[in-house]
Amino acid sequence: DTGVSQDPRHKITKRGQNVTFRCDPISEHNRLYWYRQTLGQGPEFLTYFQNEAQLEKSRLLSDRFSAERPKGSFSTLEIQRTEQGDSAMYLCASSFGQATLNEKLFFGSGTQLSVL
Amino acid sequence: GESVGLHLPTLSVQEGDNSIINCAYSNSASDYFIWYKQESGKGPQFIIDIRSNMDKRQGQRVTVLLNKTVKHLSLQIAATQPGDSAVYFCAENLGTSYGKLTFGQGTILTVHP
Repeated sequence: DTGVSQDPRHKITKRGQNVTFRCDPISEHNRLYWYRQTLGQGPEFLTYFQNEAQLEKSRLLSDRFSAERPKGSFSTLEIQRTEQGDSAMYLCASSFGQATLNEKLFFGSGTQLSVL
Repeated sequence: GESVGLHLPTLSVQEGDNSIINCAYSNSASDYFIWYKQESGKGPQFIIDIRSNMDKRQGQRVTVLLNKTVKHLSLQIAATQPGDSAVYFCAENLGTSYGKLTFGQGTILTVHP
């Protein structure tokens, strides 16, 4: 499978626990993105990386959220002290960065987080 | 704030019919638009894109139309098939950051055999 891979597919946790998700982008893609999607809504941008550098973060990304892409390949998204409002689908996407802003994003299947 | 929106939240068609899904956007600075298809339990799947310097683009069985005058985007699916049943999202790039897309709410397309 050469698409964007996310792990785990589902995560159930208790409020207050920490969770970590992993994303493996398409191998030749240098840009990686995290989005969040709640039921019935479109995905919302959280943050993006170009290689290992995190270049932009949304206001949605509170201090409890941290994302890393240490070697410019896979990325992790950690949520500390989870709250029920964090329950959502967390989507990862990647793209091959070009000199234009018109980039096609390819999404993974997401990690569905449920905070009890 | 400015956002991308959809006129119809649901659309039901018969197999073989043509489908039209509409989207209104409010940010005149948007320069790139994408339609995504999302099936249950899966991530959004790229369908077709269009740049703001174009008004029409065709793919396989799909056509995207862009009317910048009224800030309207549409996706036309020819000979709709049951496998086309999904939620369809339009998304815009405001031209400020790579890959930073603003998605609309989505339209549920149901195709009846």
